[in-house]
Amino acid sequence: DAGITQSPRHKVTETGTPVTLRCHQTENHRYMYWYRQDPGHGLRLIHYSYGVKDTDKGEVSDGYSVSRSKTEDFLLTLESATSSQTSVYFCAITDRGNTEAFFGQGTRLTVV
Amino acid sequence: DQQVKQNSPSLSVQEGRISILNCDYTNSMFDYFLWYKKYPAEGPTFLISISSIKDKNEDGRFTVFLNKSAKHLSLHIVPSQPGDSAVYFCAATPNSGTYKYIFGTGTRLKVLA
Repeated sequence: DAGITQSPRHKVTETGTPVTLRCHQTENHRYMYWYRQDPGHGLRLIHYSYGVKDTDKGEVSDGYSVSRSKTEDFLLTLESATSSQTSVYFCAITDRGNTEAFFGQGTRLTVV
Repeated sequence: DQQVKQNSPSLSVQEGRISILNCDYTNSMFDYFLWYKKYPAEGPTFLISISSIKDKNEDGRFTVFLNKSAKHLSLHIVPSQPGDSAVYFCAATPNSGTYKYIFGTGTRLKVLA
């Protein structure tokens, strides 16, 4: 298994509070991704990173920000959580293009 | 606008028979395609992939077919086993240097014993 750890694995938070999810890898892979999974929508890309301090938006980036200050860590922040951000969040990593991406176990976030 | 589409949300197949999962895409810049399997409460796991320079790739019971002119790919599982019951996602990525993996909405496969 690829060395990807997501934390926390479960979180319940209140509307309007900031939340940070962490993805930590031990593979030294260059590319890291954050996805959310929702019924009927599959996996949608939120943000991704192609190197330290190099990030870009995905399909559903509104309300989210990311940071990557080290190769091994990619943080996803919900600046002011809303109920529509209740979802399961997955981190993925890959070393290069035209190869598979490896996923973490997911973080289930509930915004009440 | 969904660039990768899986129009069948669910599929039921008898054990031992063939399962065929379909996926369509709209972006002609996609040049690498993947299938992932996902069990409940787990992350997606890679199953098989295909480059746009090929039209078929086989790995054991799993075969992926790519029809570039139709912008269509399919995953064949033969023979299907109860352990194959899961949600299957197709994904595509362009060779643009940023390697964004775009996923479909998934198809839930149920293999009946």
